[in-house]
Amino acid sequence: AQKITQTQPGMFVQEKEAVTLDCTYDTSDPSYGLFWYKQPSSGEMIFLIYQGSYDQQNATEGRYSLNFQKARKSANLVISASQLGDSAMYFCANPIGGSARQLTFGSGTQLTVLP
Amino acid sequence: ETGVTQTPRHLVMGMTNKKSLKCEQHLGHNAMYWYKQSAKKPLELMFVYSLEERVENNSVPSRFSPECPNSSHLFLHLHTLQPEDSALYLCASSQDHTGTTEAFFGQGTRLTVV
Repeated sequence: AQKITQTQPGMFVQEKEAVTLDCTYDTSDPSYGLFWYKQPSSGEMIFLIYQGSYDQQNATEGRYSLNFQKARKSANLVISASQLGDSAMYFCANPIGGSARQLTFGSGTQLTVLP
Repeated sequence: ETGVTQTPRHLVMGMTNKKSLKCEQHLGHNAMYWYKQSAKKPLELMFVYSLEERVENNSVPSRFSPECPNSSHLFLHLHTLQPEDSALYLCASSQDHTGTTEAFFGQGTRLTVV
């Protein structure tokens, strides 16, 4: 079965440091994408960054970047210069087929930024 | 208004009640979704609508009944729920249902069934 795996239930990082959140996926689709979302305590899911499987370069969006290793089927999120407001749940997601290629989410990583 | 708006933000209901969750998007998107987020479990996709037609129903019990009257509005009608249905219900929309564009989420309705 196709699935998304996030192996870190919780992570801590010191303010202003960089942190890497792990995500591995298992898909047989020749073309696919990976999404990362942030969910603060308010509940809203906020889109952060997207990586397409045929993109030549790793995606970057401000302080967020993806360490995309296609052969290893991993798409780790790197947050540079962590801020206190980065404390939240982070979810990796992959569109999985069916009649609608809906996003399927990993179990998430709770990131806590320490002052 | 912009984005995806869900109402109510919080809902407490008894097992014999009937209530509805509402979702509205002002993004011009063609696909809308209902997700369920329970504690300590990954987000679970419940329903997918594309251009007001249901294209996916992930084995959701019939006590949850979706309705999509137009491409901007999505409802989730609830009746005779169980305590285990208590969760955060998230609505999302995307340009289409192909999975190649990001989904935008509402802030969710936190439902408690007593």
